[in-house]
Amino acid sequence: GEDVEQSLFLSVREGDSSVINCTYTDSSSTYLYWYKQEPGAGLQLLTYIFSNMDMKQDQRLTVLLNKKDKHLSLRIADTQTGDSAIYFCAESNLGTGFQKLVFGTGTRLLVSP
Amino acid sequence: GAVVSQHPSWVICKSGTSVKIECRSLDFQATTMFWYRQFPKQSLMLMATSNEGSKATYEQGVEKDKFLINHASLTLSTLTVTSAHPEDSSFYICSSNGAHYGYTFGSGTRLTVV
Repeated sequence: GEDVEQSLFLSVREGDSSVINCTYTDSSSTYLYWYKQEPGAGLQLLTYIFSNMDMKQDQRLTVLLNKKDKHLSLRIADTQTGDSAIYFCAESNLGTGFQKLVFGTGTRLLVSP
Repeated sequence: GAVVSQHPSWVICKSGTSVKIECRSLDFQATTMFWYRQFPKQSLMLMATSNEGSKATYEQGVEKDKFLINHASLTLSTLTVTSAHPEDSSFYICSSNGAHYGYTFGSGTRLTVV
């Protein structure tokens, strides 16, 4: 089945850039997503990329997709303390019918002042 | 933007009782609703997928008689945890893909069974 992996933890200083990495196994992934989860809350969609794209930029967020290596990354420029949260990558495949989301294991980002 | 309203935010119940969690789509039609469970410091685990007007499809290992899902309308889906036990304590999140692209998540329900 599909498998999505992420590093568990990342610590950066305020103002630095953060790069969160994700690898996946499903070669037919259609969309790849990045979600943010703050403590005790649901998931907030940050950005997404279609599988035929290499890069997408949205303000402080840059998503890079290496389809050959099945590697997805999220770069957060000028990281702020409010960016501290858990970040999940997820992939979906139209072939599943209901477009089921498969989530990564989550990366806890800690931003120190 | 698309909003899924999930209630309650948290609930504490006694063992053996049942708890109902509601998810309402406020400004779009939630044809499909996904129900997830999240244990502390873990990722989301899909429990079941429900489509309006039909029976839910449960993931392997999820007891359909314990986690009852009703999706009677395009704006409301409910998850009822029946005969709750302490091991059912978890964070439950709903999500719908009815709004343009992507998925809209509810704010989650923290269930504690004592």
